[in-house]
Amino acid sequence: QQQVKQSPQSLIVQKGGISIINCAYENTAFDYFPWYQQFPGKGPALLIAIRPDVSEKKEGRFTISFNKSAKQFSLHIMDSQPGDSATYFCAASVDSGNTPLVFGKGTRLSVIA
Amino acid sequence: NAGVMQNPRHLVRRRGQEARLRCSPMKGHSHVYWYRQLPEEGLKFMVYLQKENIIDESGMPKERFSAEFPKEGPSILRIQQVVRGDSAAYFCASSPTGQHYGYTFGSGTRLTVV
Repeated sequence: QQQVKQSPQSLIVQKGGISIINCAYENTAFDYFPWYQQFPGKGPALLIAIRPDVSEKKEGRFTISFNKSAKQFSLHIMDSQPGDSATYFCAASVDSGNTPLVFGKGTRLSVIA
Repeated sequence: NAGVMQNPRHLVRRRGQEARLRCSPMKGHSHVYWYRQLPEEGLKFMVYLQKENIIDESGMPKERFSAEFPKEGPSILRIQQVVRGDSAAYFCASSPTGQHYGYTFGSGTRLTVV
């Protein structure tokens, strides 16, 4: 049973465009939602995270939008750059991050000039 | 700060051999977590350890897999009698607290079973 469903599997965006990656979850007990960025040959690195008490969180060009009623959250990358080309994973955890993270399957983003 | 160090980066084992993966956490971090990433899949939690203690092994396969984090030295993930299905990237993460947010991941060990 996949608890966090991520889409799309792959995404190609023009330089300067907006990249949007979506995740949906089933477990209403999830209360911590991070996004990780992974470059080839490297481990995932925490990009940005949100808790359900807010509907949006922005850090630089990266924004998480959170819809509690729909049980969905998304990552928006504004002004996408070739250096943003990586695999992005959404994840979720229960109890404010006191339980292991449940990851989506990942989205491979390619930003082309 | 050297970050989370994993070695080896790549490991090739024949079916039936043992694989030993090592992880040294970041300086000052006493909590270690192991995740496995199968091809085209997200990471899946395996085990959470503190020094000399296994705190949560709910994601560990029941057979052939074991983990330890001794008082001195790195954490070790051991896979006995490896099979082709064990081929994956194994990531270790560490944190200064026992919470599962704010992980710092290592670069992983890519295990190939031939």
